[in-house]
Amino acid sequence: GQQLNQSPQSMFIQEGEDVSMNCTSSSIFNTWLWYKQDPGEGPVLLIALYKAGELTSNGRLTAQFGITRKDSFLNISASIPSDVGIYFCAGNSGNTGKLIFGQGTTLQVKP
Amino acid sequence: DAGVTQSPTHLIKTRGQQVTLRCSPKSGHDTVSWYQQALGQGPQFIFQYYEEEERQRGNFPDRFSGHQFPNYSSELNVNALLLGDSALYLCASSRAGGPAHEQYFGPGTRLTVT
Repeated sequence: GQQLNQSPQSMFIQEGEDVSMNCTSSSIFNTWLWYKQDPGEGPVLLIALYKAGELTSNGRLTAQFGITRKDSFLNISASIPSDVGIYFCAGNSGNTGKLIFGQGTTLQVKP
Repeated sequence: DAGVTQSPTHLIKTRGQQVTLRCSPKSGHDTVSWYQQALGQGPQFIFQYYEEEERQRGNFPDRFSGHQFPNYSSELNVNALLLGDSALYLCASSRAGGPAHEQYFGPGTRLTVT
């Protein structure tokens, strides 16, 4: 079945640094989404991407829909302590509601 | 504007028992999806309900069943519980005519099977 490979698995950075993480798929997706999950909470939608090559920003977050439609990237600029959490990519390949999630990237920020 | 709500927050059951989890979608949403999230993993799609019918199903056995009510709220039922069913169960809602696939998640129900 479809799988998403998300990397890195975890990151430990200094406050103020920029962060990059990515997600690759063995098959094409029509939609890419990025979520953040805090402990004990459900995932919160950060950015949604709908077109190959699309670059979308949400504050300090920027995400891109890869040209091949098999990958996506999320960048966080000038990290702050509240950026701590688990970031998930998710993709959808058709007109159905099924989202395929990556394994997550755990981000820790040192003040 | 209330977001997605789920109940109960936590639940402990014994192997072989049955459990029912509940979800109320975000105001204005009519579609509900259920996901299972094992510890340290990403959510796995169980099924989606729209217009009170199961519209799509993931790779889960028939022990997992659901229902959607006329007010769009939904239930997830799991029969003959196994230890491996221990997980965080997430409900996500979306609007059928809205931005495609933008699903909004509730806080989840933590199920522990002993």
